[in-house]
Amino acid sequence: AQSVTQLGSHVSVSEGALVLLRCNYSSSVPPYLFWYVQYPNQGLQLLLKYTSAATLVKGINGFEAEFKKSETSFHLTKPSAHMSDAAEYFCAVTDPGGKLIFGQGTELSVKP
Amino acid sequence: EPEVTQTPSHQVTQMGQEVILRCVPISNHLYFYWYRQILGQKVEFLVSFYNNEISEKSEIFDDQFSVERPDGSNFTLKIRSTKLEDSAMYFCASSGDAGSNQPQHFGDGTRLSIL
Repeated sequence: AQSVTQLGSHVSVSEGALVLLRCNYSSSVPPYLFWYVQYPNQGLQLLLKYTSAATLVKGINGFEAEFKKSETSFHLTKPSAHMSDAAEYFCAVTDPGGKLIFGQGTELSVKP
Repeated sequence: EPEVTQTPSHQVTQMGQEVILRCVPISNHLYFYWYRQILGQKVEFLVSFYNNEISEKSEIFDDQFSVERPDGSNFTLKIRSTKLEDSAMYFCASSGDAGSNQPQHFGDGTRLSIL
């Protein structure tokens, strides 16, 4: 069965610092992985997806994620945090039927 | 860019009452989903819907829940007799294909509060 674990329910960085949000997955089949972002009072917006093409995936707003099969990880990074990046971030994997299985979410705070 | 829209944004209902949450998926999408997020918990799958029938449902989606696509544009979630534990944010999503690699596009959600 598919599952996702996000390490750290809350991450705080300074503006301009590296953002690293961790995601590990478990999947019985080659996984399709997604990162979604949720700004306050809004829905889930797709940041990026991994669908077995390139292992380094670039998304919107300067975010990227690297798929590492040996580590069963799909961590999200951004070289330089901006105040507008403050939001909740969700890692998700799809099961063969197509439904999304989400991690617990990581709230990112950005300090000036 | 096309969007999934959900109404209402906030619904307050007395326990035991019926509630209908509405969604307008992206117009050329064929696969529809409902998820919910109880405050402080992870987003959970409720049901998927394709070709006018349920494709898959979770254990949460019991006899009190139903979904319908009454016309060519709306996709609704009905809870027949609401319970306190139904209080949550409900998200509708749609995708153009059922493939596991296809991204789902989400609405802004309906916050359901049961009193």
